[in-house]
Amino acid sequence: QKEVEQDPGPLSVPEGAIVSLNCTYSNSAFQYFMWYRQYSRKGPELLMYTYSSGNKEDGRFTAQVDKSSKYISLFIRDSQPSDSATYLCDNAGNMLTFGGGTRLMVKP
Amino acid sequence: DTGVSQDPRHKITKRGQNVTFRCDPISEHNRLYWYRQTLGQGPEFLTYFQNEAQLEKSRLLSDRFSAERPKGSFSTLEIQRTEQGDSAMYLCASSLATGTNYEQYFGPGTRLTVT
Repeated sequence: QKEVEQDPGPLSVPEGAIVSLNCTYSNSAFQYFMWYRQYSRKGPELLMYTYSSGNKEDGRFTAQVDKSSKYISLFIRDSQPSDSATYLCDNAGNMLTFGGGTRLMVKP
Repeated sequence: DTGVSQDPRHKITKRGQNVTFRCDPISEHNRLYWYRQTLGQGPEFLTYFQNEAQLEKSRLLSDRFSAERPKGSFSTLEIQRTEQGDSAMYLCASSLATGTNYEQYFGPGTRLTVT
């Protein structure tokens, strides 16, 4: 079993939609959660991180952690075509154990 | 540009040849990581350094792979006797390890094609 699981998508939504991206994790030892965004042929870039249960908001993005069910989510409000990318979630300490990523396409 | 840089960006080599990649981290970062990513997959951890010490290597890292960070600044990743299965994007990341800070900053990657 992989430590972090994601639906690979692709997820296609119209511009302006609310997007929900989800991950499940198995290792409860690490309590630090991160979302990375990766554009095609680029390295991942850190989008958001959280070190607790509950919600963390940053502009149009909200990260949510539910430790009881080992579930992490990223919500994108008012999605834009520029949000089209692969979104990677992670739950790790020293090194990153990524999910396989969910490819998001936002259509104008 | 003060981000993580990698060189070369693309490398095409024939099976059996050796290749070496370079990573220059963000200057004040003491940790440096190497990952491999194949199409449709997330990055897979290979190894990491704290300063010049190599602290962990993935069990998946074959003996043909070796990494160095001789002065605790830039790092090189060498693959000997390349195989077609080594074709992938090789990503480098760096971080400043302080307490619970696990934020890593990635370079653009080196895309390796083994023919």
